[in-house]
Amino acid sequence: QVQLVESGGGVVQPGRSLRLSCAASGFTFSSYAMHWVRQAPGKGLEWVAVISYDGSNKYYADSVKGRFTISRDNSKNTLYLQMNSLRAEDTAVYYCAREAGYSSSGGLLVRTGGFDYWGQGTLVTVSS
Amino acid sequence: DIVMTQSPDSLAVSLGERATINCKSSQSVLYSSNNKNYLAWYQQKPGQPPKLLIYWASTRESGVPDRFSGSGSGTDFTLTISSLQAEDVAVYYCQQYYSTLLFTFGPGTKVDIK
Repeated sequence: QVQLVESGGGVVQPGRSLRLSCAASGFTFSSYAMHWVRQAPGKGLEWVAVISYDGSNKYYADSVKGRFTISRDNSKNTLYLQMNSLRAEDTAVYYCAREAGYSSSGGLLVRTGGFDYWGQGTLVTVSS
Repeated sequence: DIVMTQSPDSLAVSLGERATINCKSSQSVLYSSNNKNYLAWYQQKPGQPPKLLIYWASTRESGVPDRFSGSGSGTDFTLTISSLQAEDVAVYYCQQYYSTLLFTFGPGTKVDIK
């Protein structure tokens, strides 16, 4: 079965760095785009970043652009999020999520979209 | 950027009654080449990650009960729970994935039992 397991969260001081990992299993990791989504305590979901299946394309939310870097190692079935210059407002549970692939519709393969599998999340707390 | 809004912020519905959540996007999420609306709905229960319920605005994910249905096109969408069950108490989010550069979620709607 598909599993996504995040790790690397913890308490960090403002301005410091942290790297999150997401270990994937149960599917062909190298075939799927992957995302990071975060949720501040008591708040809604905020999309953070996406990386294409082969790592060639990466996009970020404006709130993290220039500070966070998403990457993947398809040989290790692992997704990463390098977080630099952390701020108090980055405090959140960070989820990795798989973007659903393609489905057949009218005889054609159409991008399904949506995030069909999520990890349990890892908590990052930025505090002095 | 595509901005997503949801209404109401919260609602309380009696068991067995209908719950309706609205979602609006600031621009159309209808992909003209395949006539698919790139809009998803998620359910999040306390302490759990979100769960995908609906994609293409109206297609139920495998295993999702048929009391959940999605409708709408372009910029206006609705998630309906036809007969609310106790296990449906959760926060529901819509999300657009039309823009592959910036995926955005709505602010969420909390559903409770009246």
